[in-house]
Amino acid sequence: AQSVAQPEDQVNVAEGNPLTVKCTYSVSGNPYLFWYVQYPNRGLQFLLKYITGDNLVKGSYGFEAEFNKSQTSFHLKKPSALVSDSALYFCAVRDSPTGFQKLVFGTGTRLLVSP
Amino acid sequence: DAGVTQSPTHLIKTRGQQVTLRCSPKSGHDTVSWYQQALGQGPQFIFQYYEEEERQRGNFPDRFSGHQFPNYSSELNVNALLLGDSALYLCASSHIYRQGPSGNTIYFGEGSWLTVV
Repeated sequence: AQSVAQPEDQVNVAEGNPLTVKCTYSVSGNPYLFWYVQYPNRGLQFLLKYITGDNLVKGSYGFEAEFNKSQTSFHLKKPSALVSDSALYFCAVRDSPTGFQKLVFGTGTRLLVSP
Repeated sequence: DAGVTQSPTHLIKTRGQQVTLRCSPKSGHDTVSWYQQALGQGPQFIFQYYEEEERQRGNFPDRFSGHQFPNYSSELNVNALLLGDSALYLCASSHIYRQGPSGNTIYFGEGSWLTVV
């Protein structure tokens, strides 16, 4: 079964510093990976996805993610954190790019950016 | 371009009652999925609808049922509510075969907060 793991419940970073939110995956076949962000009492907002191609994926709000096949990781990164980036971040994996497939989510990582 | 819309935003029900949640997919999308997100957890897949049929189902009891209408909108029904059904219910939409930069992406609505007392 496809799965993702987010090893950190919370990540703390100062505003202006780079941030990394970690995600590792376990899949059979090619991985299709996603990052979503959830602000308090809101739904999920799509940030970025990796389907195929370049290992560095650029997404919304200045976020990017690096796909590493040998380490089975898909870490979310941002060069300079903003206080407004504070939110809950979910990594997710999908079985294949099309068809009747579902997303399997990690447990989430809370990002806290301090002024 | 309207995104995924859900209603109601919040509702409170009593144990044993039944609830219906509604979802309109993003324009151009034909596939609707429902997820349950309990407090402090990641979303869990309930089921997915395409062409008005349930196509895939997660590990949820038969008390959870759904429907998709010809205009692609969908309903989630939960019967015999339990306290443990209290959660944020998220609707997600996508296009079954669309390729390109916006393809293969599942978009979520703001969710419906259900509290069972």
